[in-house]
Amino acid sequence: GAGVSQTPSNKVTEKGKYVELRCDPISGHTALYWYRQSLGQGPEFLIYFQGTGAADDSGLPNDRFFAVRPEGSVSTLKIQRTERGDSAVYLCASSVGGRGQTSYNEQFFGPGTRLTVL
Amino acid sequence: AQSVTQLDSHVSVSEGTPVLLRCNYSSSYSPSLFWYVQHPNKGLQLLLKYTSAATLVKGINGFEAEFKKSETSFHLTKPSAHMSDAAEYFCVVTGTGFQKLVFGTGTRLLVSP
Repeated sequence: GAGVSQTPSNKVTEKGKYVELRCDPISGHTALYWYRQSLGQGPEFLIYFQGTGAADDSGLPNDRFFAVRPEGSVSTLKIQRTERGDSAVYLCASSVGGRGQTSYNEQFFGPGTRLTVL
Repeated sequence: AQSVTQLDSHVSVSEGTPVLLRCNYSSSYSPSLFWYVQHPNKGLQLLLKYTSAATLVKGINGFEAEFKKSETSFHLTKPSAHMSDAAEYFCVVTGTGFQKLVFGTGTRLLVSP
């Protein structure tokens, strides 16, 4: 079956602009995660959805970042007033299960969206 | 808070020689630990996972890792490197609740002919 897909694969924008990044999880996966990977670093957790709700958004760096998952499937990460420091690869992952789980459910990652803010 | 430290940013080996990628962890409770691999322009792939069962964990493509609580280590090994093993490797620990993954800074494995 299809894996996690992310669009666009590359996004170049200017400082101050608004961007939206899309994630299509694996069908049937109820949990969805966003991570950010800056150059030369490991991915950093941003937000986790269980179904339609954000169960943990502790990794969002500030209020310019927002994510939604209105129907419990596709998710959109939204960044307002982009800054050069937002340039990174934004990774999405999905898994079965979620809140209340007592063991690890493998997270399957998409190829990422490379965001460049000029 | 949970964290991992990858001790080498780059490791270079020759094809056919052993691979050792080092990782130390810090956790306030019994951790779940993982190694992920990232090939250029491809998504992260789970190599292996430790979740408090056997301390020696076997993964895909001939990789293994051993959980050593006394040393707070979870080093990744492979007896014989292949050219296709060249990639970025991440040691990972779960945060509370098993949902949040905490990644190390990565080790780039270079394999020469």
